[in-house]
Formats: sequence, structure tokens, C-alpha cells
Amino acid sequence: EPEVTQTPSHQVTQMGQEVILRCVPISNHLYFYWYRQILGQKVEFLVSFYNNEISEKSEIFDDQFSVERPDGSNFTLKIRSTKLEDSAMYFCASSELAGATQYFGPGTRLLVL
Amino acid sequence: DQQVKQNSPSLSVQEGRISILNCDYTNSMFDYFLWYKKYPAEGPTFLISISSIKDKNEDGRFTVFLNKSAKHLSLHIVPSQPGDSAVYFCAASVRDAGANNLFFGTGTRLTVIP
Repeated sequence: EPEVTQTPSHQVTQMGQEVILRCVPISNHLYFYWYRQILGQKVEFLVSFYNNEISEKSEIFDDQFSVERPDGSNFTLKIRSTKLEDSAMYFCASSELAGATQYFGPGTRLLVL
Repeated sequence: DQQVKQNSPSLSVQEGRISILNCDYTNSMFDYFLWYKKYPAEGPTFLISISSIKDKNEDGRFTVFLNKSAKHLSLHIVPSQPGDSAVYFCAASVRDAGANNLFFGTGTRLTVIP
């Protein structure tokens, strides 16, 4: 069964450093998403992406964040200058169509020291 | 932002009995609802969904009920199995508006006791 994959599974970084989280969505899916879950809190939407551009973003997704589909398979989330409060699990998801069921990857645990 | 609420942080059920997980929402624009299951160190796994035009959707041991007037949905698992022990998240979206983002509840940890 096709699945969303994410790398790395864990990332530790120093405050102020740039990180890139990678995702490979399900191959025939057209919509891609990033969510995050801070420890003990709920899963929160960050951004959705379709046709090589952002279709929606939340207030969390400020200028420090960017997304890119650098090739036909990868979807990346970049945090330019990490802050302590960026420590969270970051989940990538994809869906076949707009509003269709979203399928999630296993997540990347980011720890900012 | 508490548009989707799961008021029970945990639930324990004996194996073979019914598990009922509840979810309330405040945004009347939500038209698509989903339940996800999550094991530790894994991503949310899609379980079952329901559109606002229905009041019930069933898939094997899992049934979701939607009460639009009460802005309430529930997930029934019958019979419950030890492998069902996980955190269950309710999520909602405004699908008809083309919006893609899901709003999640805080989750209910289900423990099925053998």
C-alpha cells in the first residue's frame, strides 16, 4: 500500500540554524500539506501546496517557513532560523484531490536547543 | 482556537466491548469529518470519514455517527480489541469551500484491556 515517507525521523539543531524536513508524498497525489504537533498539544495545520504553489497557510507559517517541491517526488519544509518553540513533530500529508482524505507520514521529531 | 474538541483525554474499555469516542465542533461550516488513529512515534493513520450529508458511515468494526444539530460526532468500535489501543483524533474541514486544512481535536487515548 502506498504511503507517505519522511526524513529524517529525528533532527536536533541549534537555535538559529536552518533545517530542511523532507517528505515523499503518495505518487498520484496532487495536494501536499505540513502539520506540526508540539508536545502535549494538538496537531496544527501549517500549509497546503498544489500545482507548485501554496494554496493555504496558517498564522504559524510565517516568513521563517518555506515549502518547495524541488523535483517530481520530494516535498520539503524549510525553517530558516529555528527557534526553541519550533521544537515539535512535523507531519507531512498528501491527498489525491482538494478536500479528499489526507494521508500522513510518520513525522520528523525536531528538537531545537 | 478550539473549533474541534475531544473532552475525554482517555478511555478504558474491556476487550470485546464497545468503545465510544466523542468529538464536538463549533464551526457550522465544517462539512467533512475524519477519525485518525495514532500510535506513539508514528503519524496519524486514517480510519474513517463522514460527509455532512450523511449521519452514519460504517466500515467493519468502525462506525462514525454525525449529529449536525448538536455539532457532535462519535466513533464506535465494536468489538474492541487490544490492538485498538492508541490515541484517536477527530478532525474536520470545510471541504466544499475548497479549503484543505484539517482542524484536529486534542485526542483521546483508548486503552483496550485484554
